Amino acid sequence: NAGVTQTPKFQVLKTGQSMTLQCAQDMNHEYMSWYRQDPGMGLRLIHYSVGAGITDQGEVPNGYNVSRSTTEDFPLRLLSAAPSQTSVYFCASRRKPNQPQHFGDGTRLSIL
Amino acid sequence: TQLLEQSPQFLSIQEGENLTVYCNSSSVFSSLQWYRQEPGEGPVLLVTVVTGGEVKKLKRLTFQFGDARKDSSLHITAAQPGDTGLYLCAGALWGETYKYIFGTGTRLKVLA
Repeated sequence: NAGVTQTPKFQVLKTGQSMTLQCAQDMNHEYMSWYRQDPGMGLRLIHYSVGAGITDQGEVPNGYNVSRSTTEDFPLRLLSAAPSQTSVYFCASRRKPNQPQHFGDGTRLSIL
Repeated sequence: TQLLEQSPQFLSIQEGENLTVYCNSSSVFSSLQWYRQEPGEGPVLLVTVVTGGEVKKLKRLTFQFGDARKDSSLHITAAQPGDTGLYLCAGALWGETYKYIFGTGTRLKVLA
């Protein structure tokens, strides 16, 4: 019973490098979201998707891209990493709008 | 701009004491959720409230959604060390149920 799986768990990048954070869920949930968590800021919504092929921007989308080619996967791409993107990233999924969100365990990302 | 403000930001109390955490906004929400997060893990849902004035109880935890759907509170009776964690509220804006906005978080420590 995997739920929401995020990889990698930890990553260190140099400024300017690109990378993709992976998120996969096996619950057939339509709604998926990416958040970043910084000290004292709670979780801030980066991008979200309401189904395969449909994505939209959240509160802090700049510097990040997403795609949703399948129901299961929702990768987050950093095009050119910046130190301001150092954070803990969480992926979440849910079946319907008002239903519980299921979170992965997070990816801790450091940009040097 | 933080749409959801939580207070207090930090709380350290003795076992057996009562406490209340507040989640306030000037915006109207169609639903509001409370989560608890442990270090190194993603948030886990505690409750969802969807009706203005609604009160829900979960053992020693009591959740209330404001009549105007702009605020919520979490009250813990006789706190225990196991209640230690980061408490987060999250709301779905009225008319934007696809995305949840998280509060700033309240870090609770219950001392034995």
